[in-house]
Amino acid sequence: AQSVTQPDARVTVSEGASLQLRCKYSYSGTPYLFWYVQYPRQGLQLLLKYYSGDPVVQGVNGFEAEFIKSNSSFHLRKASVHWSDSAVYFCAVSADQGTGSKLSFGKGAKLTVSP
Amino acid sequence: GGIITQTPKFLIGQEGQKLTLKCQQNFNHDTMYWYRQDSGKGLRLIYYSITENDLQKGDLSEGYDASREKKSSFSLTVTSAQKNEMAVFLCASSRLGGYAEQFFGPGTRLTVL
Repeated sequence: AQSVTQPDARVTVSEGASLQLRCKYSYSGTPYLFWYVQYPRQGLQLLLKYYSGDPVVQGVNGFEAEFIKSNSSFHLRKASVHWSDSAVYFCAVSADQGTGSKLSFGKGAKLTVSP
Repeated sequence: GGIITQTPKFLIGQEGQKLTLKCQQNFNHDTMYWYRQDSGKGLRLIYYSITENDLQKGDLSEGYDASREKKSSFSLTVTSAQKNEMAVFLCASSRLGGYAEQFFGPGTRLTVL
């Protein structure tokens, strides 16, 4: 079975500062990795995803993540945050069950961007 | 593009009541999912349906039933609502395959009195 750990439940950064949200996964096979964002009172939206190739993957709104296999990590980064980035961010790992897909989510990291 | 519609947006029930949540998608996706979101606990998979006529239990299926009426719709039933229960139920859909992006609805907020 796969699982995800997001160690930082709440993160506060100043507008314009850089951001890193940590994610570690546990899965014996080759994982599919995702970062989703949830704005208040909305569903989740995909930021980026990774399966193979360049370990640094670019996403929407200037977000990127780096897959480090030796560390089982998939940390999310942004060089300069904006107040509109305030939201809850979820890391997820998928194990392909044949044609099906079963995502396991971390508990989320609530980001607050202060002025 | 497409959209996922969840009804109702807010659901208030009584302890022991059977409650049904509905989800519709117009992406023409094969796979649909129901998740439960509790504050501080992330999302937990309740049921999913890989294709029409398929039904799979997730990690949190006890106390729930699900039904895939047709390709575009997927319902979830809380078989006996628990007092003081509060959660958000999210429906999602995707194409087939483990690398497929899941698209989420806005959620149904459940409160049990």
